[in-house]
Amino acid sequence: GENVGLHLPTLSVQEGDNSIINCAYSNSASDYFIWYKQESGKGPQFIIDIRSNMDKRQGQRVTVLLNKTVKHLSLQIAATQPGDSAVYFCAENNFGNEKLTFGTGTRLTIIP
Amino acid sequence: GAVVSQHPSRVICKSGTSVKIECRSLDFQATTMFWYRQFPKKSLMLMATSNEGSKATYEQGVEKDKFLINHASLTLSTLTVTSAHPEDSSFYICSARAQEGAVEAFFGQGTRLTVV
Repeated sequence: GENVGLHLPTLSVQEGDNSIINCAYSNSASDYFIWYKQESGKGPQFIIDIRSNMDKRQGQRVTVLLNKTVKHLSLQIAATQPGDSAVYFCAENNFGNEKLTFGTGTRLTIIP
Repeated sequence: GAVVSQHPSRVICKSGTSVKIECRSLDFQATTMFWYRQFPKKSLMLMATSNEGSKATYEQGVEKDKFLINHASLTLSTLTVTSAHPEDSSFYICSARAQEGAVEAFFGQGTRLTVV
């Protein structure tokens, strides 16, 4: 059911600093992970993905780290900008299942 | 990346009426589309999986007679909220796969439904 009363985790970072957003997943069979960015009133936007045969993947200003031992995923954003302010969701999938399962999300606020 | 367009972006309707939301893949054919519902400050909850030419597969707890899904073509899926009530007010989002077998999905911009 709904987790009534629980607030979205928040993270505030000074502009120009690096940020790290964390995500714990529960399904050890998951083998594909995606980070999405969602701005207010908009749909999720793909940022970066990683498969379970990798530990790290880098994009432009973003890096995703995967620790399968503890079922932990992180998104690092370098040199944050005001436009990075949004809610970030991790999503997981296991091979053969076409559905994505989304995490609870983290609200990132960049302080000018 | 692939573009998914959702329409309308906002809609206000009276209780008891029905509302149709369209989801279109603009530059690719999508055999599978997904419909999500999102409550304020919450994550996306999958409602149903829509397959072109066949009946949608609904998640547990989602009323299929309440949320009618039609996937009539490879570029269009529609969600109709029938006999809407204020508790149906929410943010509805669709996504589509760019190719068969791909996991990555592209999302529409969402539809804010308010039932008064």
